[in-house]
Amino acid sequence: GQQVMQIPQYQHVQEGEDFTTYCNSSTTLSNIQWYKQRPGGHPVFLIQLVKSGEVKKQKRLTFQFGEAKKNSSLHITATQTTDVGTYFCADRSNFGNEKLTFGTGTRLTIIP
Amino acid sequence: KAGVTQTPRYLIKTRGQQVTLSCSPISGHRSVSWYQQTPGQGLQFLFEYFSETQRNKGNFPGRFSGRQFSNSRSEMNVSTLELGDSALYLCASRSQGLATDTQYFGPGTRLTVL
Repeated sequence: GQQVMQIPQYQHVQEGEDFTTYCNSSTTLSNIQWYKQRPGGHPVFLIQLVKSGEVKKQKRLTFQFGEAKKNSSLHITATQTTDVGTYFCADRSNFGNEKLTFGTGTRLTIIP
Repeated sequence: KAGVTQTPRYLIKTRGQQVTLSCSPISGHRSVSWYQQTPGQGLQFLFEYFSETQRNKGNFPGRFSGRQFSNSRSEMNVSTLELGDSALYLCASRSQGLATDTQYFGPGTRLTVL
């Protein structure tokens, strides 16, 4: 079956440094969603990317979808303590019939 | 608008028992999906219901079942519990089940099987 891997698994950064997580799939992605889960919390939707090569920005967050639609990335500029959490990518297959295949997640911790 | 609610929030059961978890979607949302989250396997899709019909199912044994009521509230049931069923069970709702709909997760039910 489809596997969606994320690297790194863990990332510790100093506050103010940048952070990037990469999402790679064994098969072509239908469209990618990104979620953030705070410690003890539940996943919160961040964004959805649909088109090959698409780039979207949300303040300090930049999301990219690979040209071949087999990878995606999330980049955070100048991290803040509020960015702590686990970031998941998810492939939304069976367009219209919801089935999200989640990536393995990257846990971000910030060193103040 | 109230968010997705799940009850109970915490549950402790013993092996062999069965459990029923409840999810109330955001008012007006008709699609409810269930996910299991464990440290080892991550977030895994269980099933999705839309207008009382199961539209999609993940790779879980038949011990995991669910249903949706006419008011869109959903329940999932796990029978003959095993230690490995200990997990955070999350439900998520969407408006019409369209590709453009945002999925909203509930706080989850933490199930511990002893």
